[in-house]
Amino acid sequence: QKEVEQDPGPLSVPEGAIVSLNCTYSNSAFQYFMWYRQYSRKGPELLMYTYSSGNKEDGRFTAQVDKSSKYISLFIRDSQPSDSATYLCAITAAGNKLTFGGGTRVLVKP
Amino acid sequence: DAGITQSPRHKVTETGTPVTLRCHQTENHRYMYWYRQDPGHGLRLIHYSYGVKDTDKGEVSDGYSVSRSKTEDFLLTLESATSSQTSVYFCATLAGEYNEQFFGPGTRLTVL
Repeated sequence: QKEVEQDPGPLSVPEGAIVSLNCTYSNSAFQYFMWYRQYSRKGPELLMYTYSSGNKEDGRFTAQVDKSSKYISLFIRDSQPSDSATYLCAITAAGNKLTFGGGTRVLVKP
Repeated sequence: DAGITQSPRHKVTETGTPVTLRCHQTENHRYMYWYRQDPGHGLRLIHYSYGVKDTDKGEVSDGYSVSRSKTEDFLLTLESATSSQTSVYFCATLAGEYNEQFFGPGTRLTVL
């Protein structure tokens, strides 16, 4: 069993819809949670960072962490075609080594 | 932009040949990482470095070696490339307010 599980998708939504992404993890030592966005043939870039249970908002993006269930989510409101990318969750216990999920490919159709 | 460049960006080689990939950073970051990315597996850590001449293995280090003789350069070597090492390789550094990792543009390696 992988330490971090993520549905590979693809997830196809119409423009303006809410995109819902999630990851589950198995190690309760994980304390810091990140979401990266990766456009095709590019390196991943950090989108959201959180270290506690609850919600964190940044513009159209909301990251949610439930440590009791070992479950993290990313919501994208009012999705745009430019949001089409692969989204990777990344989790760490100590901060200097990340464990990544496999990534979910998202396609937002105009 | 964390000032990370990777070279070469694309390489095709044959089984059994040695290959060296280079990662160069301009921000004087202490930690550097090498990952490979494959469909269905996401990003997997190969090796990382926490300073000049200080390196450690990641989860998929077999068949790979690394060297860091200068802060700005982190080299990944495949001593004898195999077809299973066909992948996209990303270099990353650690920095920022949240100790996030910044990634380079990647090297696409094909081993025939």
